[in-house]
Amino acid sequence: DAGITQSPRHKVTETGTPVTLRCHQTENHRYMYWYRQDPGHGLRLIHYSYGVKDTDKGEVSDGYSVSRSKTEDFLLTLESATSSQTSVYFCAISEAAGVFGELFFGEGSRLTVL
Amino acid sequence: AQTVTQSQPEMSVQEAETVTLSCTYDTSESDYYLFWYKQPPSRQMILVIRQEAYKQQNATENRFSVNFQKAAKSFSLKISDSQLGDAAMYFCAYRSDPRGGNKLTFGTGTQLKVEL
Repeated sequence: DAGITQSPRHKVTETGTPVTLRCHQTENHRYMYWYRQDPGHGLRLIHYSYGVKDTDKGEVSDGYSVSRSKTEDFLLTLESATSSQTSVYFCAISEAAGVFGELFFGEGSRLTVL
Repeated sequence: AQTVTQSQPEMSVQEAETVTLSCTYDTSESDYYLFWYKQPPSRQMILVIRQEAYKQQNATENRFSVNFQKAAKSFSLKISDSQLGDAAMYFCAYRSDPRGGNKLTFGTGTQLKVEL
């Protein structure tokens, strides 16, 4: 199994509070991603990173920011959480030039915003 | 932007029978990769099978195979000899040009139930 650790795995917070989710990898993969999973929507890309300090937006980036100061860590921050951000968040990693570029996923973090 | 459509929210199959999950996609690219991921109740995302668009031969992994129709932009998953452990949510995914960051676009998923 790919070495991907997400923390926290479960979190309940209140509207308006800041939240940071952490993704840590031990594979030295170049690409890292944050997806959210919601019923009826599948997985949607929030932000991704193609190197240290290199990040870009995905299709549902509003209300989220990311940072990657080290190869192994990719942080997702909700500056002021809203109920619409209640979701399961997945981190994923990918090699830089893999033939298939398949993604390896973490176990997910369930966030509930009350 | 690419889109991936899974038109079957739920499917059921009897144990030991065969089931086919549908997936269509929309793209203007000629070179890309397609994937099927399985998500059991544990929530873990597991790669089931993958297909390169430039290959005409359909990919096969044990009991799992695909029917890739490039012109029709169709990528269905066939599960043979279904087992109870196959019960899961299945996601079809599209990977565009790797220069775009190896991003995957997912369909909305098909929940597969396996009945005795």
